[in-house]
Amino acid sequence: AQSVTQPDIHITVSEGASLELRCNYSYGATPYLFWYVQSPGQGLQLLLKYFSGDTLVQGIKGFEAEFKRSQSSFNLRKPSVHWSDAAEYFCAVGEASGTYKYIFGTGTRLKVLA
Amino acid sequence: ETGVTQSPTHLIKTRGQQVTLRCSSQSGHNTVSWYQQALGQGPQFIFQYYREEENGRGNFPPRFSGLQFPNYSSELNVNALELDDSALYLCASSLNPTDTQYFGPGTRLTVL
Repeated sequence: AQSVTQPDIHITVSEGASLELRCNYSYGATPYLFWYVQSPGQGLQLLLKYFSGDTLVQGIKGFEAEFKRSQSSFNLRKPSVHWSDAAEYFCAVGEASGTYKYIFGTGTRLKVLA
Repeated sequence: ETGVTQSPTHLIKTRGQQVTLRCSSQSGHNTVSWYQQALGQGPQFIFQYYREEENGRGNFPPRFSGLQFPNYSSELNVNALELDDSALYLCASSLNPTDTQYFGPGTRLTVL
């Protein structure tokens, strides 16, 4: 079965430091991959997505992610974190067996220190 | 352009009751997917509606049901509520069933 693993439940970084959030997926075919961000009490906002082509994907708010097929990974990065980036981040894979649906990881909660 | 909206924002029910949650899809989107997000977990797929028909279902019991209307808005109905149904319910709309899903703010359901 398809699955998404986010190994880090919590991450704390200082404002201005770089950030990398890890995501590993299990999927037989070429995956559709997504990163969403969720602020407290809010829904999910799409940061970026990968369907095909260039393996380095640029998103909103200065985020980028790199698809590495050999490692089954789609890690999210930001060179300099802002206090407003504190939130929960979810990686998801689009599964197209039968109904097209998203399989989400359990999320990584990011805390930013001033 | 209006995004995905959901109502109500919060809801408190007691065990055994029934609840209806509502979702208005983004303009031009004909597909709505519903997800349940338990505390501390990622969202889990409940079902999808495409052009007023159910287009697939996750591992949820039949007491979870839905509707989609001609304007592509949607309802999620849950009968015989259980304590474990307490969660954030997210609705997502997309241009078609395989396109990118855009999420609403969610409805927080508490079952006492």
